[in-house]
Amino acid sequence: NAGVTQTPKFRVLKTGQSMTLLCAQDMNHEYMYWYRQDPGMGLRLIHYSVGEGTTAKGEVPDGYNVSRLKKQNFLLGLESAAPSQTSVYFCASSFLGEQYFGPGTRLTVT
Amino acid sequence: EDKVVQSPLSLVVHEGDTVTLNCSYEVTNFRSLLWYKQEKKAPTFLFMLTSSGIEKKSGRLSSILDKKELSSILNITATQTGDSAIYLCAVDMRFGAGTRLTVKP
Repeated sequence: NAGVTQTPKFRVLKTGQSMTLLCAQDMNHEYMYWYRQDPGMGLRLIHYSVGEGTTAKGEVPDGYNVSRLKKQNFLLGLESAAPSQTSVYFCASSFLGEQYFGPGTRLTVT
Repeated sequence: EDKVVQSPLSLVVHEGDTVTLNCSYEVTNFRSLLWYKQEKKAPTFLFMLTSSGIEKKSGRLSSILDKKELSSILNITATQTGDSAIYLCAVDMRFGAGTRLTVKP
């Protein structure tokens, strides 16, 4: 089992560009999450999903969109990147509370 | 607004010391409190505490949930350099800022 995987691992964007981060899990988990982690601020929830075809806003959803077309995949989109979105992005999935995290994507917006 | 607060934010100890990390929370609908360890990359799960499971132990690590005080502690005894990491507390989907623990030889 690969667990939770994220693509890409690193990315540099210019302000205004768009991109999609892909998260995939092979554990058949219903719940999936996208977090961002900034120095000194822990993990902040961007969006989450409680099942295929459903999404909900988290703590910091502005500037991001998500889709969960297949149970195993959760996509995070940035339509018009801003320097404030420079961060490390973690995807996670869960079944009974315990979350399993992907390795993270380091995104820099210049 | 829901919040999770961890203290201290950072801690430096020597090998063999015992440490206690704190987590307090204010949330609308408590279901569980989780502790994670984060070294260089992704957080890894340590413990989950709920109303029906308020104390957990694994080796040198242990954790207790105090539902009356809306808090939890994570204890690490006989610390080792490999315990150096950021320890994160989460209540459902809300995380605290973490405690950065450094264990010196």
